[in-house]
Amino acid sequence: DAGVIQSPRHEVTEMGQEVTLRCKPISGHNSLFWYRQTMMRGLELLIYFNNNVPIDDSGMPEDRFSAKMPNASFSTLKIQPSEPRDSAVYFCASRSGTSVYEQYFGPGTRLTVT
Amino acid sequence: DQQVKQNSPSLSVQEGRISILNCDYTNSMFDYFLWYKKYPAEGPTFLISISSIKDKNEDGRFTVFLNKSAKHLSLHIVPSQPGDSAVYFCAASAGTDKLIFGTGTRLQVFP
Repeated sequence: DAGVIQSPRHEVTEMGQEVTLRCKPISGHNSLFWYRQTMMRGLELLIYFNNNVPIDDSGMPEDRFSAKMPNASFSTLKIQPSEPRDSAVYFCASRSGTSVYEQYFGPGTRLTVT
Repeated sequence: DQQVKQNSPSLSVQEGRISILNCDYTNSMFDYFLWYKKYPAEGPTFLISISSIKDKNEDGRFTVFLNKSAKHLSLHIVPSQPGDSAVYFCAASAGTDKLIFGTGTRLQVFP
């Protein structure tokens, strides 16, 4: 079975450009999470969805960040405009409704903003 | 404000010995705890978990201990193997889908 799929795996962009990260959750999972990993703060939850509906976006750092989940098999995280401090690894994770809190992570997207 | 803390950024252990990774939390509402393991260039993978109604959970070489009064949990790996070398994250939930992660501990197991 395919796990969580993220694209691109690496993204290098210039400050001010728009960046879109993509995620395909595991089929049948009804919760989707976006995380950011940095050395200083570890894994931070940005936003999560249940049944395609955003439930908690309190971790989204600024209005420059937005996330959508138009259907059960696809989500995007957009940063516009990007800034150097956004450089990090961004993970998407999904969870089944029958799983007790266990989340399955994708391989991540390493974002570098110059 | 870090609600889940892993105060040791790294740990080095000899193969065959015990590895003990520690995690402290501040939120008394946390009722479920998980450990994740992460290899370079991969996403974290679930390792083991424990509910607050228990004080120990064991799965093969991995055992998690929970001390609620001290707000402390630990992961024991016995015996440690080179393949255990990875970053280990502690995570906690307060009864919702939201997991709060620590900053991770890098474990290196040497021969």
